[in-house]
Amino acid sequence: AQKVTQTQTSISVVEKTTVTMDCVYETRDSSYFLFWYKQTASGEIVFLIRQDSYKKENATVGHYSLNFQKPKSSIGLIITATQIEDSAVYFCAMRDHTNAYKVIFGKGTHLHVLP
Amino acid sequence: EAAVTQSPRSKVAVTGGKVTLSCHQTNNHDYMYWYRQDTGHGLRLIHYSYVADSTEKGDIPDGYKASRPSQENFSLILELASLSQTAVYFCASSDGQGAEQFFGPGTRLTVL
Repeated sequence: AQKVTQTQTSISVVEKTTVTMDCVYETRDSSYFLFWYKQTASGEIVFLIRQDSYKKENATVGHYSLNFQKPKSSIGLIITATQIEDSAVYFCAMRDHTNAYKVIFGKGTHLHVLP
Repeated sequence: EAAVTQSPRSKVAVTGGKVTLSCHQTNNHDYMYWYRQDTGHGLRLIHYSYVADSTEKGDIPDGYKASRPSQENFSLILELASLSQTAVYFCASSDGQGAEQFFGPGTRLTVL
């Protein structure tokens, strides 16, 4: 069965440092898609970055990057040079071919960026 | 700019009453979704649709119906609202099976 697990419920970091948020997933498919989303304090949910399972290169968008470790079924989100406005809840999500129309979300990690 | 809108943004309903939440997208996406978010939890899929006039059950469909009358519109219907359905509801759309989702602003539903 599909499953996405985020074990870190809350992380606090000092502004301008780097943070990594963990995510592990379960799927029987060899091809799948992984996503990270950000939910701000206002409730808005926005897409940040994605990783296709067949790509070996880690995706990077702005100051977001991924640490994709396929043998470990792990997809970590790395935020470099954190800013106060990065404070939010971050969700990891997965879609595979067995259930191509469904996206499974983790429970989220609350990031607090402190001045 | 392409967008997903939801109405109403907030609603108070009485137990046993009927509630309809509406979602409209201008993304020209085939796929649309309804999620429920409870405090401290992630997003749980209620219903989804990949073509007009067809809907599919998600992971927690009990107590909910969905309607997709057109590509742009997707509604979530609570025929007999219950206290346990108090939550924030998000609609989303996506283009293709491997694509990211675009979310609406959410509807805060309180059932009394």
